[in-house]
Amino acid sequence: ILNVEQSPQSLHVQEGDSTNFTCSFPSSNFYALHWYRWETAKSPEALFVMTLNGDEKKKGRISATLNTKEGYSYLYIKGSQPEDSATYLCAPISGSARQLTFGSGTQLTVLP
Amino acid sequence: GAGVSQSPSNKVTEKGKDVELRCDPISGHTALYWYRQRLGQGLEFLIYFQGNSAPDKSGLPSDRFSAERTGESVSTLTIQRTQQEDSAVYLCASSLLGNSNQPQHFGDGTRLSIL
Repeated sequence: ILNVEQSPQSLHVQEGDSTNFTCSFPSSNFYALHWYRWETAKSPEALFVMTLNGDEKKKGRISATLNTKEGYSYLYIKGSQPEDSATYLCAPISGSARQLTFGSGTQLTVLP
Repeated sequence: GAGVSQSPSNKVTEKGKDVELRCDPISGHTALYWYRQRLGQGLEFLIYFQGNSAPDKSGLPSDRFSAERTGESVSTLTIQRTQQEDSAVYLCASSLLGNSNQPQHFGDGTRLSIL
């Protein structure tokens, strides 16, 4: 089982603010990293799957970077909107495993 | 259907009873996963099916838990002699391939409450 840490645990921002949070994971034997968004009363939704060191992916106002050598990924949200309120989960996969190990998530609340 | 479908959406049962949860993955997805989230905890892997290969059962918490999948279609997760600690939201996900580079598509979950 991988040790996955996400910070902060929760975050409140004002509408229009930009924000970012961190996912830390073991750098050894890295294979891939997934990011998911989980809104209340809905199912988790895939945001990004990242595999290469230095990868940067973007989807609208959300982007993510990956550093496999030091074992971290950042998720950025530019100009937060109330609809961005959700729990953001990261899940790395090591080379020896085929299943995701989820972090406990960052709960984002965007205040109007 | 267009997405992963799970049933029932809610289940309340008495301690000691058996329960069966159902997952209908996206058509054509070869990989299927079961997870659970207990109150205040993160998503916990339970079991993984890939095509006709033997399932990865490494996440099942006890021998009261079992799961089956027929080919690349419906899967059922069975919990025998339920205990209060089994109360959780049980999520099913599928992906096109069992390749870890594929995003997983989740159902809405079954909220299981053991009285």
